[in-house]
Amino acid sequence: DADVTQTPRNRITKTGKRIMLECSQTKGHDRMYWYRQDPGLGLRLIYYSFDVKDINKGEISDGYSVSRQAQAKFSLSLESAIPNQTALYFCATSALRGSHYEQYFGPGTRLTVT
Amino acid sequence: AQSVTQLDSQVPVFEEAPVELRCNYSSSVSVYLFWYVQYPNQGLQLLLKYLSGSTLVKGINGFEAEFNKSQTSFHLRKPSVHISDTAEYFCAVLSGGGSEKLVFGKGTKLTVNP
Repeated sequence: DADVTQTPRNRITKTGKRIMLECSQTKGHDRMYWYRQDPGLGLRLIYYSFDVKDINKGEISDGYSVSRQAQAKFSLSLESAIPNQTALYFCATSALRGSHYEQYFGPGTRLTVT
Repeated sequence: AQSVTQLDSQVPVFEEAPVELRCNYSSSVSVYLFWYVQYPNQGLQLLLKYLSGSTLVKGINGFEAEFNKSQTSFHLRKPSVHISDTAEYFCAVLSGGGSEKLVFGKGTKLTVNP
């Protein structure tokens, strides 16, 4: 099984619809992240969570919300999707223990808002 | 705030030529540095990382990078590229001090021509 899974992998939705992207991990990492990728802009951080009770906004959180249902699950919601939220979305996990750092990315969810 | 600058958005090279993809970062604290590769229509794959120790880091697929603290750079190099190296490459920085947010550059598209 993959370390980080994302569902759905592809989604087309209409403007104004609510949509949820889900992420699950099997690494046992406390830290989880949501990024979006746009051509020419790299990956930008939307939200991150350092444990179940700790949720933080990233650099582009407007229009998004998240829920950390359990250590292994971190969902991203678009309450009312708009076309400029069309992007590739990545979930990631990490753990930093001393000088040992691990990070795993999911395969991505391609979202199109029409 | 941390930032990462990838100085070239596109780098075209011929097969078997050497290549250098440039990356500069801004941070006043200790950093961890990464290079990721994204092949067309795929997710992110870690090429190499610098956490501590030797400033010359070797990664997968024959790539290497050198950490230069005085110049705040982490350039990626390969002595002889292949067509299969055509991809987008992302430099990323993680600051120490418990702030585990990976900040990405905007990416460099490497195109290897026959």
